[in-house]
Amino acid sequence: EAQVTQNPRYLITVTGKKLTVTCSQNMNHEYMSWYRQDPGLGLRQIYYSMNVEVTDKGDVPEGYKVSRKEKRNFPLILESPSPNQTSLYFCASSPVPNQPQHFGDGTRLSIL
Amino acid sequence: SQQGEEDPQALSIQEGENATMNCSYKTSINNLQWYRQNSGRGLVHLILIRSNEREKHSGRLRVTLDTSKKSSSLLITASQAADTASYFCATDGPGGTSYGKLTFGQGTILTVHP
Repeated sequence: EAQVTQNPRYLITVTGKKLTVTCSQNMNHEYMSWYRQDPGLGLRQIYYSMNVEVTDKGDVPEGYKVSRKEKRNFPLILESPSPNQTSLYFCASSPVPNQPQHFGDGTRLSIL
Repeated sequence: SQQGEEDPQALSIQEGENATMNCSYKTSINNLQWYRQNSGRGLVHLILIRSNEREKHSGRLRVTLDTSKKSSSLLITASQAADTASYFCATDGPGGTSYGKLTFGQGTILTVHP
């Protein structure tokens, strides 16, 4: 089954404790992207990747890092999480940019 | 500022009625996409319309695009309770440094009452 898998689905953690949210897709897509969703703000793009070893900043990249060492994986790293990063995060992929994206089920992060 | 902005923010209708949602954007685009999100779940792609298209249909969905007004509308005909969800438009840039950037609007919450 074609899917985008995010882990964990839920996480409560404390300020400053490094965390990684994993994202994996099994569709051999070149393009992957991370978004955060906050009430009243819709989805905002954090980082995206056109292909392996190619990543670019979206609209809200501050406080986040990503890497793309393999085509299927695109982890989101919060080196020193802060409460303003409490949000619902989505990973998505598509064959190429500007094509319909497949979304994961989301990761709800709470940073205390 | 938001590239894609939907209105209304919320829409409540009875089953069987039509639902229309609008999206406005600010810069030129390649494509405009509509997505649906059930509460707390991932987004599901509904339809993509290219900048050189004016109208597109998919089942009970009809999307129009007016690039001169930088606006799009999503019409759901004969709505069902199962259509209750949030609907988002998403736009991408014309290319260059915008290639790969996708901007979502704030969404319209549609409630369809049985």
